[in-house]
Amino acid sequence: QSALTQPASVSGSPGQSITISCTGTSSDVGGYNYVSWYQHHPGKAPKLMIYEVSNRPSGVSNRFSGSKSGNTASLTISGLQAEDEADYYCSSYTSTSTLWVFGGGTRLTVL
Amino acid sequence: EVQVVESGGGLVQPGGSLRLSCTVSGFTFSSYWMHWVRQAPGEGLVWVSRIEGDGTDTRYADSVKGRFTISRDNAKNTLYLQMNSLSAEDTALYYCVRDSHHYAFDVWGQGTMVTVSS
Repeated sequence: QSALTQPASVSGSPGQSITISCTGTSSDVGGYNYVSWYQHHPGKAPKLMIYEVSNRPSGVSNRFSGSKSGNTASLTISGLQAEDEADYYCSSYTSTSTLWVFGGGTRLTVL
Repeated sequence: EVQVVESGGGLVQPGGSLRLSCTVSGFTFSSYWMHWVRQAPGEGLVWVSRIEGDGTDTRYADSVKGRFTISRDNAKNTLYLQMNSLSAEDTALYYCVRDSHHYAFDVWGQGTMVTVSS
C-alpha cells in the first residue's frame, strides 16, 4: 500500500481537462511544499512534470499545472492530447524515516 | 547532454548480493544529491535511498535499511547501490535518479532490472 493515495485511473477526451488527486497526511503533503509529479510512459524513464507543488521545469508544457490544499495535492492537465496518455505519480518529501513517498500511480487514458 | 545510465542488474538467488552502478555525464556530479528509486513489476515507484553530494550523509527506506548501502565516487562520476540479503520482495527495476535541488527527481535513467529468484 502506497503512502500517498491516488485514483487508479482517470480518462478524458482530447481537448478536455482532467485532475488527478494525491492525498497524504500532515507529515508529507500537508507539511511541506515539496510535492512533485511524474509522467511515466511504460518502458521509458519517468519525467518530472511539476516540482514544489506548482512549478514546471523548463520544457514542460503549460497545460500541466499543480496545486495543493491541506493534505491533498492535485495535477491538472488541460487541453488533453493523445501523447498525455501515461501513468502519473505524485511524490512528497516526508518527516518520517522514509524521506520520500510516492503515490500508487494513476493511469490516464485519452479516449 | 545530461544522462544517467544504470548497470549491474541481473538474476540473483534469495540471500544473495548484487552491486548496481550508475554512471552519469553532462553535469557536475558532486553538486547533486543522488537517489535510487525502484519499481516492482506491475507496481508503483518506491524511493530506496539518497546520498548527498559529498557522500557524507546517506538515508534509506525502512524496507532496505541495514541491507543496502548507497555510495558514490565523484572522481568516477559513478553512484553505487550495494544490495545484500536480497529477497523476492527486492525484485524490481532500479532507477538511478538525480535530485533537482528542489526535493524532486529531475533526471532518470532507463533502469536496471534485479530479479531475486531461486
